Amino acid sequence: EVLLQQSGAELVRPGSSVKISCKASGYTFTDYYMHWVKQRPEQGLVWIGRINPANGNTVYAEKFKSKATLTADKSSNTAYMQLSSLTSEDTATYFCTRIDYSYFDYWGQGVMVTVSS
Amino acid sequence: DIVMTQGALPNPVPSGESASITCQSSKSLLHSNGKTYLNWYLQRPGQSPQLLIYWMSTRASGVSDRFSGSGSGTDFTLKISSVEAEDVGVYYCQQFLEYPLTFGSGTKLEIK
Repeated sequence: EVLLQQSGAELVRPGSSVKISCKASGYTFTDYYMHWVKQRPEQGLVWIGRINPANGNTVYAEKFKSKATLTADKSSNTAYMQLSSLTSEDTATYFCTRIDYSYFDYWGQGVMVTVSS
Repeated sequence: DIVMTQGALPNPVPSGESASITCQSSKSLLHSNGKTYLNWYLQRPGQSPQLLIYWMSTRASGVSDRFSGSGSGTDFTLKISSVEAEDVGVYYCQQFLEYPLTFGSGTKLEIK
């Protein structure tokens, strides 16, 4: 069974950074790209970027190029996203999601990141 | 960027009736390989999105045949025949033709 298990909710200070994780199981981690999606409260889905776990190659949406950093650890089958210089605009739920050719077939449960002083 | 524009539903929809959700893209999603890179997802309240339809009209594994997708290169429709309580949530269309990947703003379905 394919599972994407994400880390727990985070409460962080403005200006700080946070690193959230997505542990994959039930498939060969390096065979599928991992994508990340943002959802602000009561709002829609926004694509952040993706990583190829096999070689670390990344692609980002323009607006997230200086905000998000995607990495992957093949030894632990875990993808990570670090968000920097956090503001209230970054308060959101962040999903990791696996791509199968050209659609997202499995999603993590989401991580709620709250930016507040 | 490709802009995805979704229509609204005349909520609430009576149980057992059909519902159609529209989605329009600012660029044709028809690839030279003949596939149309338009996907549909449902996000139930408090849950992660789940895949319903990919390549415009192919139902994902385990998805009820009450769901069907159709369209052209830029205009798409998700039809739900005989809506049920479990269909409540927000439906999103998404293009996978090119980066950045983009989603529609979502269409909420409520059942009466």
